[in-house]
Amino acid sequence: NAGVTQTPKFQVLKTGQSMTLQCAQDMNHNSMYWYRQDPGMGLRLIYYSASEGTTDKGEVPNGYNVSRLNKREFSLRLESAAPSQTSVYFCASSEFGGAGAFFGQGTRLTVV
Amino acid sequence: QKEVEQNSGPLSVPEGAIASLNCTYSDRGSQSFFWYRQYSGKSPELIMSIYSNGDKEDGRFTAQLNKASQYVSLLIRDSQPSDSATYLCAVSGDMRFGAGTRLTVKP
Repeated sequence: NAGVTQTPKFQVLKTGQSMTLQCAQDMNHNSMYWYRQDPGMGLRLIYYSASEGTTDKGEVPNGYNVSRLNKREFSLRLESAAPSQTSVYFCASSEFGGAGAFFGQGTRLTVV
Repeated sequence: QKEVEQNSGPLSVPEGAIASLNCTYSDRGSQSFFWYRQYSGKSPELIMSIYSNGDKEDGRFTAQLNKASQYVSLLIRDSQPSDSATYLCAVSGDMRFGAGTRLTVKP
C-alpha cells in the first residue's frame, strides 16, 4: 500500500548540476503534480499533468522540466541547478483534476 | 493569476475551543475545495473536501463553502493539542494552495 513514492528523499547538488526527481503512484490516478515548499510560502505548483500524455505549467515552472512517462510516473528535472531551487519538493496525485490529492513523503534538495 | 489566500496566523486556541480557519480564492470557476493538514517535517494530508455551498461535517471538522463570496472555511471543534499543525487550503482544477495557517492548541 505504497501510495505516492518519491526518490530520492535527500539530495545535495552543486550549482549547475542536473538531476531528476522521480515520482510513482500505485492508485491508478489520472492527475499528478509537482510542488515546491519554502518556509512561509506554502506549496507552490511547478507543473501538473491532468492525464497521461499532458503536462501544464503551474505558478513557478522556470528552471524545471517534467515528463509524464506513463500513468504511474511523473518526473521532475532540474537541468542546471541554482541555489534558489533549494527547497522541499512534493509530488502528489489525484484520481482526476477535481479530486483531493495524496502526497509523497517529499524530497529535500539543497543546492550549494 | 489564480489566487488562494489564507488568514496569515499563527492562530492559538486553548484546548477544547473552536478553531476557525479561513480561505478566499479568486477563480470563480473553481468547483472543488480542500483542506490539508501538515505536521512539521511531514507531507500534507487531505482532511476535508467540499464541492457545494453549505456545510460539510466530518467528526470534529466542519468545512463551509460560500461560492458567491468566494470563501471556504474550516472549523475544528473541541480542539486538541494533536490538532497543532499548519492547515492548507487548496482549490482545483490545478490544485493551487494558500500559504497555510499555523494552528497551535494549548493544553
